[in-house]
Amino acid sequence: GAVVSQHPSRVICKSGTSVKIECRSLDFQATTMFWYRQFPKQSLMLMATSNEGSKATYEQGVEKDKFLINHASLTLSTLTVTSAHPEDSSFYICSARTDRYYNEQFFGPGTRLTVL
Amino acid sequence: AQSVTQPDIHITVSEGASLELRCNYSYGATPYLFWYVQSPGQGLQLLLKYFSGDTLVQGIKGFEAEFKRSQSSFNLRKPSVHWSDAAEYFCAVGARGGGNKLTFGTGTQLKVEL
Repeated sequence: GAVVSQHPSRVICKSGTSVKIECRSLDFQATTMFWYRQFPKQSLMLMATSNEGSKATYEQGVEKDKFLINHASLTLSTLTVTSAHPEDSSFYICSARTDRYYNEQFFGPGTRLTVL
Repeated sequence: AQSVTQPDIHITVSEGASLELRCNYSYGATPYLFWYVQSPGQGLQLLLKYFSGDTLVQGIKGFEAEFKRSQSSFNLRKPSVHWSDAAEYFCAVGARGGGNKLTFGTGTQLKVEL
């Protein structure tokens, strides 16, 4: 149980385009989802926290207009990287939390974004 | 704010040898503590967690960790390493309340020599 999927697993796009990444909880309802960014050989940095039906809360230094997060249902959150640039290339990982296991986060497999 | 320090960036051990990965945290109260493993290009897999109670925690794949409040540490151990254990290991601390955000350490890259 507690499986989280991400789609796509890998995406390559041209500079200036927008890219949407989906994060789904497959077998549970995720009241909260988290989005992380990981640069090569570095740790995970929390970008934002989203609760179903409300606006995401962004961490300091994260541009909310560039990284649009939507948590429209209890099983789906999306991260849209708008007007992507090469410096946005990174590994993006989502996680989800359910009320039943409030103190844990279940992680997705990640999405590798490469902006040319 | 909480923080996590993993002092060892890289560790190399021989297959069959014992392993200890260090983790020190900073937090004003008793935190939630986690160890995750990440293979290249993959997401995170939870190895074990500590919330309360017994300070020696058993996890998957033969790993264990011990919470030592006096040392603010949560070191990960395995008595006999297998070549498949080569990966990146992250220690994380979660705040009780306040959204239970996780703060990750910088990770330890484990290499296993055959």
